[in-house]
Amino acid sequence: EIVLTQSPGTLSLSPGERATLSCRASQSVSSSYLAWYQQKPGQAPRLLIYGASSRATGIPDRFSGSGSGTDFTLTISRLEPEDFAVYYCQHYGSSPWTFGQGTKVEIK
Amino acid sequence: QLQLQESGPGLVKPSETLSLTCTVSGGSINSYSYYWGWIRQPPGKGLEWIGTIYYSGSTYYNPSLKSRVTISVDTSKNHFSLKLSSVTAADTAVYYCATYDILTAYFYWGQGTLVTVSS
Repeated sequence: EIVLTQSPGTLSLSPGERATLSCRASQSVSSSYLAWYQQKPGQAPRLLIYGASSRATGIPDRFSGSGSGTDFTLTISRLEPEDFAVYYCQHYGSSPWTFGQGTKVEIK
Repeated sequence: QLQLQESGPGLVKPSETLSLTCTVSGGSINSYSYYWGWIRQPPGKGLEWIGTIYYSGSTYYNPSLKSRVTISVDTSKNHFSLKLSSVTAADTAVYYCATYDILTAYFYWGQGTLVTVSS
């Protein structure tokens, strides 16, 4: 089973700053099925990035994804107030679908 | 655009069976293009995969839940279902149905439904 490890656990930043979130897989995975999500309290996860680097419908271009093999990154170029939330990575190309434990982006 | 909607009881008694349905619109559940699945999230915790089913009927379950889980598809109603037996308080969670398009890799979620296990 593939294990996804996200770092850091919490990221404390100010609006306007750049956020860099990491997702490391325990073995090489297909980047075609690597996704990133944003989740706010009481809401379902919102798809941001799929296929490691493709933005989902309606996602602002300040969100970008990159990586391959075992190392993937979500970058938020300039944090907006609405971007403070928990972010998850996911691999789903085969069963089981696996999730990272999440990175909380909080206001500094 | 594919849309998913969960439905089912919000309260289940301990030792009973949790049953949820996910209704699919905007696409056919009888399509080779999609895997259909269930994910849950206990209050304040992360996301846990429960299981997946393909249109052919092939199923894949989380080993930690396998003895209690059944996922099935009803093509006549264009929906798929989850049954989780012998529930305890630890099964209290928001349950999401989800799917992805094999060809585009786009992942879709339902809005989620909170199921509380309590007497």
